[in-house]
Amino acid sequence: GQQVMQIPQYQHVQEGEDFTTYCNSSTTLSNIQWYKQRPGGHPVFLIQLVKSGEVKKQKRLTFQFGEAKKNSSLHITATQTTDVGTYFCAGPHRGSTLGRLYFGRGTQLTVWP
Amino acid sequence: GAGVSQSPRYKVAKRGQDVALRCDPISGHVSLFWYQQALGQGPEFLTYFQNEAQLDKSGLPSDRFFAERPEGSVSTLKIQRTQQEDSAVYLCASSLAGGFTEAFFGQGTRLTVV
Repeated sequence: GQQVMQIPQYQHVQEGEDFTTYCNSSTTLSNIQWYKQRPGGHPVFLIQLVKSGEVKKQKRLTFQFGEAKKNSSLHITATQTTDVGTYFCAGPHRGSTLGRLYFGRGTQLTVWP
Repeated sequence: GAGVSQSPRYKVAKRGQDVALRCDPISGHVSLFWYQQALGQGPEFLTYFQNEAQLDKSGLPSDRFFAERPEGSVSTLKIQRTQQEDSAVYLCASSLAGGFTEAFFGQGTRLTVV
């Protein structure tokens, strides 16, 4: 069945360091979405990537979608304490008419000041 | 409304008790999802509605779980004869077009079964 794997599960960085989380799917995805969940909060949409090889930037965040549309990454440059939270990737598998979103387990980011 | 609203925010149930969790999606969103999130885990899909039609309920863990959205707006997730393993945060999300567009999540209902 569909699986979306994320690594690492935890990442601890000092403020100012870079951070990357990777997402891999067992099947081709029609799109990939990234969400951020703050401690005690709910997932909040960050971005959606649709095209093979697509790269999008949001200030210090860079999102990539792999050529085969099976993997994706989120890179944060010069982390800040406000970046703390769990980052999830999610996507419906290609060919899905229902759009069921599969979520990865997430990468929990801790930023030390 | 301004966002997805879930109630109650917290629910403590005795084992064996039935519970009902409510989700008020964003007005106009045809798609509605229910997810279960255990501590330290990602949201696990439970069920999906498009308007009033329940198109996918393959994630419901047992026949004790039942969801409905009779008028295509508000949805209720019902859990019968709750068990301790049902303790989790139940998240509701709505979107314009299933998993192909941004999903907006509610703040969730934290269910604790004692």
